[in-house]
Amino acid sequence: NAGVTQTPKFQVLKTGQSMTLQCAQDMNHNSMYWYRQDPGMGLRLIYYSASEGTTDKGEVPNGYNVSRLNKREFSLRLESAAPSQTSVYFCASSEGLVSSNEQFFGPGTRLTVL
Amino acid sequence: AQRVTQPEKLLSVFKGAPVELKCNYSYSGSPELFWYVQYSRQRLQLLLRHISRESIKGFTADLNKGETSFHLKKPFAQEEDSAMYYCALGKGGATNKLIFGTGTLLAVQP
Repeated sequence: NAGVTQTPKFQVLKTGQSMTLQCAQDMNHNSMYWYRQDPGMGLRLIYYSASEGTTDKGEVPNGYNVSRLNKREFSLRLESAAPSQTSVYFCASSEGLVSSNEQFFGPGTRLTVL
Repeated sequence: AQRVTQPEKLLSVFKGAPVELKCNYSYSGSPELFWYVQYSRQRLQLLLRHISRESIKGFTADLNKGETSFHLKKPFAQEEDSAMYYCALGKGGATNKLIFGTGTLLAVQP
């Protein structure tokens, strides 16, 4: 039982390049989330998916797109990376969208945009 | 606007000393408060939530709606408590969008 997995662990991009961060969970959770963590800022929600087939914007969605491929997988795409997107990205999942549900986090992807 | 404030970036204490990690929130509705912890080289994980009113690893936290606070306390710190601690605010009901504080690094010295 791996929980939440993320690939890649590290990535360096040049400004303007695109890439997709992958996230998968094996806990049969309905809801999934993407956060970014910047120094001094805490974690901020980028997008979330309440259930398979639905996605919604979080606090900082600009410059990102997401796809809920199936119940297990939730990917985050940067179409044209910018230095401001240098961050650590965390994927999380929870049983449902009820606020008392615990969120389970992946190990993170450290992204640097030059 | 909803906001979570953790005023201390770093809290350094000696083993056996009491610990209090401060968390204040701003939210007009009925909040749900959580403490998440990230130990070195481990994932962020839930430590405790206010609705459970439980003690985990000796830590407790009481929601004080009057002072809009949810401070995390432990009477006697252990070296293994050293970690990054995040307070998080949930808006309650059918939404699980959490607002995190900026975190406090707890360093327990031997």
